[in-house]
Formats: sequence, structure tokens, C-alpha cells
Amino acid sequence: AQSVAQPEDQVNVAEGNPLTVKCTYSVSGNPYLFWYVQYPNRGLQFLLKYITGDNLVKGSYGFEAEFNKSQTSFHLKKPSALVSDSALYFCAVRDWGGGGNKLTFGTGTQLKVEL
Amino acid sequence: EAGVAQSPRYKIIEKRQSVAFWCNPISGHATLYWYQQILGQGPKLLIQFQNNGVVDDSQLPKDRFSAERLKGVDSTLKIQPAKLEDSAVYLCASSLSNPGGQETQYFGPGTRLLVL
Repeated sequence: AQSVAQPEDQVNVAEGNPLTVKCTYSVSGNPYLFWYVQYPNRGLQFLLKYITGDNLVKGSYGFEAEFNKSQTSFHLKKPSALVSDSALYFCAVRDWGGGGNKLTFGTGTQLKVEL
Repeated sequence: EAGVAQSPRYKIIEKRQSVAFWCNPISGHATLYWYQQILGQGPKLLIQFQNNGVVDDSQLPKDRFSAERLKGVDSTLKIQPAKLEDSAVYLCASSLSNPGGQETQYFGPGTRLLVL
């Protein structure tokens, strides 16, 4: 089965500093990887995805992620954090188990950006 | 472009009652997903539709949960009877026809269910 792990429940960073939210994956075959963000009482908003090609993927709101096959990682990054980036971040992998192509999500990482 | 619409946004019921949630996907999206998100966890798929057909319902508790997408557009998810452990946010997502799994899933705002 396909799975992703987010080892940190919470990440704290000062505004203006770079941020990293970690994600590692375990898949059979080529991974399709996604990042979503969830604000309180809102649904999930798509940030970016890796399907194939360039290992550095650029997404919405200045976020980017680096696919690293040797380390089986897909960490989310932003060069300069904003207070408004504070939210819950989910890494996900495409999972063909069950006959469909659902997303299997990690447990989420709460990002807190402080002044 | 309008996003995925869901209603109601909030629902409080007592255990053993029934409840229904509605989802209208983005126009033109053939694939529709229902996920359950329990507090502190990532979303988990309940059912996937391709047009009006079920593709994956392997994780749907079929003794109490049912879903339909009769005309291949909007969808309804029902719980009957509800249990305390069904308290969660129910998220609907849609994507373009997605046989290769590369398409992005776009999520609605969710329905927050509390079972007392």
C-alpha cells in the first residue's frame, strides 16, 4: 500500500525565516505526490504536485517542494514565511488500492508562523 | 470558476438518527470523491465515482453509509443510523476524468458532523 509520513506534528518558525514541512513516502512504482493546506473550518486547498520531471516543483503562494527519490522525501518549503501561512499542511500520495486512484494522506503538520 | 459546493456546512444529530450530505462538483469534472476526516487525522476516502459509476467503495462502511451520483453530476452521502464515531468532517472532492491519477483533486469546504 502507498503511504506518506509527516514526522512533525507542529513546526514553529519566525516570520521572514525559511520554512520546511517534511514528508516521506513509501510506494511501489512511481510516486504521484501532493501538498494541500487546510485553514480552520475550510476544506483542503491544493498547493502543488509532483508527477514526473523536474525534482523542484513550484506551487501556489510561493511554496515549492523538492522530490528526492534516494531519500524518498517530498519536503514543502518556502523561502520567507508569513503569519498568514499558519495552517495545517497535508502531504498525500496517489493510491491505486481498491481499484480507484484516491489520495492517501499523512497525519498533517501544524505550521505556526510567529512575529 | 465555481468550486466544489457542499451542504449543509454543519450538522448536529443524535446517535441512531440519519443524515444526508450533498455535493456539487466543479462543472465538467467526471470524478467525484467523498472523504471522511476525523479530528487530528488526514482525510480517508469513503467512495470514488467516475460519472455515475462507483470505482472504489472498499472503505465505505456499507452497513450504515450509502452514496449515489445518479446523473453523474451532484452526489449525496447518507448515514443511517449514525454512531458517535461518525463525528467528523465529510469532504467532497472532484477532478477531471482521472484514469492515470495525475489530475488534481479540488476539495469543497466540508460538512462538519457532530453525533451526540
